[in-house]
Amino acid sequence: QQQVKQSPQSLIVQKGGISIINCAYENTAFDYFPWYQQFPGKGPALLIAIRPDVSEKKEGRFTISFNKSAKQFSLHIMDSQPGDSATYFCAASSRQAGTALIFGKGTTLSVSS
Amino acid sequence: DTGVSQDPRHKITKRGQNVTFRCDPISEHNRLYWYRQTLGQGPEFLTYFQNEAQLEKSRLLSDRFSAERPKGSFSTLEIQRTEQGDSAMYLCASSLGTGVEKGNQPQHFGDGTRLSIL
Repeated sequence: QQQVKQSPQSLIVQKGGISIINCAYENTAFDYFPWYQQFPGKGPALLIAIRPDVSEKKEGRFTISFNKSAKQFSLHIMDSQPGDSATYFCAASSRQAGTALIFGKGTTLSVSS
Repeated sequence: DTGVSQDPRHKITKRGQNVTFRCDPISEHNRLYWYRQTLGQGPEFLTYFQNEAQLEKSRLLSDRFSAERPKGSFSTLEIQRTEQGDSAMYLCASSLGTGVEKGNQPQHFGDGTRLSIL
């Protein structure tokens, strides 16, 4: 059972464009939703996170949009740059179910110059 | 560098051998996690410590796997009698634990130990 479904699997965006990655979750007890960026040979690095009491959070070029009723959240990368080329993972966790993060399968982003 | 540190970065071993990995968390973090990541997949939770107490274990953590955090600082993950299916990246993460009423805190990952079983 995949509790966090991520799409698309891969994404190609022109430099300066907007990259959008979507995630859907099933467990309504989830109350923390982070996004991680991972480069080859490195561990995941926390980008931005949101809790369900807000619908949007912005940090620099990265924005999370959160739709509680649809059980969906998305990452928007504005003005995408070649240096943003990496694999992105959404995740979710629940205070009720412990602190383990449940990850999506990842999206490989390529930003072409 | 004050991030999460893992050692070794790479480990190659023959099937059936035992291996041990070490993780040093961010110094003020009292929570420590182990995850496993296979190629093309997201990390999967293995186990979690708050201070020296092991509070959660995934069903993925078979009897061949054991983790310790003896003094609430660094942690070790041992795999006994390694199998081909154990080949993966083993990731350690740490976070502050502020109590369940304040929700989960950000987890910061190390760069992992890549295990290859021959």
